[in-house]
Amino acid sequence: AQKVTQAQTEISVVEKEDVTLDCVYETRDTTYYLFWYKQPPSGELVFLIRRNSFDEQNEISGRYSWNFQKSTSSFNFTITASQVVDSAVYFCALSEAGTNAGKSTFGDGTTLTVKP
Amino acid sequence: EAQVTQNPRYLITVTGKKLTVTCSQNMNHEYMSWYRQDPGLGLRQIYYSMNVEVTDKGDVPEGYKVSRKEKRNFPLILESPSPNQTSLYFCASSLSFGSPGFFGPGTRLTVL
Repeated sequence: AQKVTQAQTEISVVEKEDVTLDCVYETRDTTYYLFWYKQPPSGELVFLIRRNSFDEQNEISGRYSWNFQKSTSSFNFTITASQVVDSAVYFCALSEAGTNAGKSTFGDGTTLTVKP
Repeated sequence: EAQVTQNPRYLITVTGKKLTVTCSQNMNHEYMSWYRQDPGLGLRQIYYSMNVEVTDKGDVPEGYKVSRKEKRNFPLILESPSPNQTSLYFCASSLSFGSPGFFGPGTRLTVL
């Protein structure tokens, strides 16, 4: 069965600090997709990034970067120079492509608070 | 504008009174899914649909039904709601199951 663990329930940082949100996943499939979503206080869910299991390249988008390591089954998310607007709940999610294609599993989320 | 719409946005009902939460997308997406969000539990998948007339159970399907008669619509049906179905519900759609999801605004349901 697929599983996603976000061990950090809550993180609080001061503006301009760097912060890393951890995500560890479990799957038996060789083909799968990993996602990060952001849920700001307004409640909507916003897609941030997708990675497939064959693409271990790290990605950087502005202040955001993602580190995907299959060897440790981790897909961590780093925000550099955090800002108050980054305060949100962040979810890591996994979708398998094999016999469970279509099933989607989310972590419990990490609530990030960035203080001015 | 590309969007996923859900109705109603808020609903307070009583135990046992059948209700339907509608979900509609205008992006011609094949994949649609329903989730419920409860404090501390993240999003849990209720049902998903890979295409028209193809639906399957997620992790928490008990007490829910869905149908996919048209590509754009994926209603969630609670035949006999119970208080433990009080939750925030999200509908999502995407090109395929491995594609980024577009989420609706959410429906906050309270069952008394």
